[in-house]
Amino acid sequence: DTAVSQTPKYLVTQMGNDKSIKCEQNLGHDTMYWYKQDSKKFLKIMFSYNNKELIINETVPNRFSPKSPDKAHLNLHINSLELGDSAVYFCASSRRGQTHSYEQYFGPGTRLTVT
Amino acid sequence: AQTVTQSQPEMSVQEAETVTLSCTYDTSESNYYLFWYKQPPSRQMILVIRQEAYKQQNATENRFSVNFQKAAKSFSLKISDSQLGDTAMYFCAFTNFGNEKLTFGTGTRLTIIP
Repeated sequence: DTAVSQTPKYLVTQMGNDKSIKCEQNLGHDTMYWYKQDSKKFLKIMFSYNNKELIINETVPNRFSPKSPDKAHLNLHINSLELGDSAVYFCASSRRGQTHSYEQYFGPGTRLTVT
Repeated sequence: AQTVTQSQPEMSVQEAETVTLSCTYDTSESNYYLFWYKQPPSRQMILVIRQEAYKQQNATENRFSVNFQKAAKSFSLKISDSQLGDTAMYFCAFTNFGNEKLTFGTGTRLTIIP
């Protein structure tokens, strides 16, 4: 039973291409996130959605566009890929509310390599 | 803005020994959560332990425990009876009440030596 899943796990593409990464969670959570982990292993928030509504957008280039069709899914589309976009992208989810614990559960990550 | 600092880029310890990983953070908030996540070579991010700032008691999870010093803004992770499977990157992370994002430290690469 995979809690947070991402597809694909590996993505190799050329500069200028457009690509998408998909994320799904079956934990019943209402908040989902995209994080980027760079080559030095540093993790940084990109976006957060709560009940399909964008609540965090951390100065990410406009080439990155998240989409949440429902609470269980959060996709990331990247236009005009650049070399600097090479990284591992993690999807995560959590439950938001008065009594929730703010624990975020992560997917397996998608390693994006732009050549 | 909140910051999280992990001052030990790499550590190694013999199997079965105890190791402590350091983490300090900076915030003006009074209500927040702190976490330790483990990232083994498989790349998966695994939640190890969680501490609520309003709780004085230090969190423990089996061989993992924390030393939470709120006044000093310090949150260290102690791993007892270390095992080979503990070899991983360990990230300290912070989030405010009402803030949805995790702010991570730069990580500590821990190697358990057989």
